[in-house]
Amino acid sequence: QVQLVQSGAEVKKPGASVKVSCKASRYIFPGYYMHWVRQAPGQGPEWMGWINPKSGATNYAQKFQGWLTMTRDTSSGTAYMELSRLSSDDTAVYYCAITDYSLDAFQFWGPGTMVAVSS
Amino acid sequence: EIVLTQSPGTLSLSPGERATLSCRASQSVTSNYLAWYQQKPGQAPRLLIYAASGRATGIPDRFSASGSGTDFTLTVSRLEPEDFAVYYCQQYGTSPFTFGPGTKVDIK
Repeated sequence: QVQLVQSGAEVKKPGASVKVSCKASRYIFPGYYMHWVRQAPGQGPEWMGWINPKSGATNYAQKFQGWLTMTRDTSSGTAYMELSRLSSDDTAVYYCAITDYSLDAFQFWGPGTMVAVSS
Repeated sequence: EIVLTQSPGTLSLSPGERATLSCRASQSVTSNYLAWYQQKPGQAPRLLIYAASGRATGIPDRFSASGSGTDFTLTVSRLEPEDFAVYYCQQYGTSPFTFGPGTKVDIK
């Protein structure tokens, strides 16, 4: 069973950046795709993009182009999602989810990381 | 991007009743890569159905789904108390992957 462990809650000011981590529990990391999904309070989930930890290739939703960066550390099996120029609209729970293929349903999810943006 | 519309927004039913949820896509979903998730407060979404009709590992057979192209349906044959939750559809055949706004199934 794959387990994903995410970093803790964050409170940020508008204009700042946030970096959230997601660590896979077993050494399966390089062969999978790591997706990031966010969910604002009372809203449906919103897919942000994926990273292939083996190659480093990324695919971001166009909405996030230019202010979202996904990276990975293959030695520790950890993926990172960094969002810059935060506004109150970015207040949400951020989830990582892992799939076997780039086009795949999201079987395994992290528990989520709350990011609150407030002045 | 493909826009998903779910109906109804809220479904009020009693335990033991049948629930039928609809998901409609603004354009055909590639390879019928349509998933259904269940979400309870404070939890991550849980995968129920993949590829329009495939039941995910460990999902009870009271959950079934069908559809193709632009119209998809999730059915819960007999609602158990733990089934009252919000249900989302998602298409993962075309980037950006998109989710519907959800259907809340609550206790009547």
